[in-house]
Amino acid sequence: AQTVTQSQPEMSVQEAETVTLSCTYDTSENNYYLFWYKQPPSRQMILVIRQEAYKQQNATENRFSVNFQKAAKSFSLKISDSQLGDTAMYFCAFMKHAGANSKLTFGKGITLSVRP
Amino acid sequence: DAGVTQSPTHLIKTRGQQVTLRCSPISGHKSVSWYQQVLGQGPQFIFQYYEKEERGRGNFPDRFSARQFPNYSSELNVNALLLGDSALYLCASSRDPRDTEAFFGQGTRLTVV
Repeated sequence: AQTVTQSQPEMSVQEAETVTLSCTYDTSENNYYLFWYKQPPSRQMILVIRQEAYKQQNATENRFSVNFQKAAKSFSLKISDSQLGDTAMYFCAFMKHAGANSKLTFGKGITLSVRP
Repeated sequence: DAGVTQSPTHLIKTRGQQVTLRCSPISGHKSVSWYQQVLGQGPQFIFQYYEKEERGRGNFPDRFSARQFPNYSSELNVNALLLGDSALYLCASSRDPRDTEAFFGQGTRLTVV
């Protein structure tokens, strides 16, 4: 079974600054996907970024980038130039590669507040 | 294009009652997954359906059941409600069971009193 751990319950950052959210996971799988999802007060989960475990290169999407350390089973999200709209809960999630289904295993989440 | 739609948005039920939650996937998506998100926790996988067949089930009691219709919409049923079933129920749609990009609805907030 897979587990995803987010040990920081909440973080706060000044607008325009950079913040890093941490995530660790445990799995015996060699090939898998990792995700960061954002859940604003509207409750809808929105995909922020996705990383394929067999790719060495860290994924980047505009202001969002990850630091994927496969050996350490670590997957952190860096948000640059933080904006007020980034205020939300952020969830780290795991998915097996080529499994029978696309089940996502989520961490407990972290509440990010961006201060004006 | 419409996103994933869930109904109702909020629901209050009494212990012991039964509830049905509904989900319509994005047009062209044939797979629907259900998740339970208890307050302060991450979502937990309940079911995935594809082409009307169950493709995965999480660690939930038999009181939880689901089905998928020919138009790919889905219903989640929960019988004999317990206070602990109070949660946000999220539906996610994807093209097929191995698609890594899931699109979520805004959820149904169920309160059991």
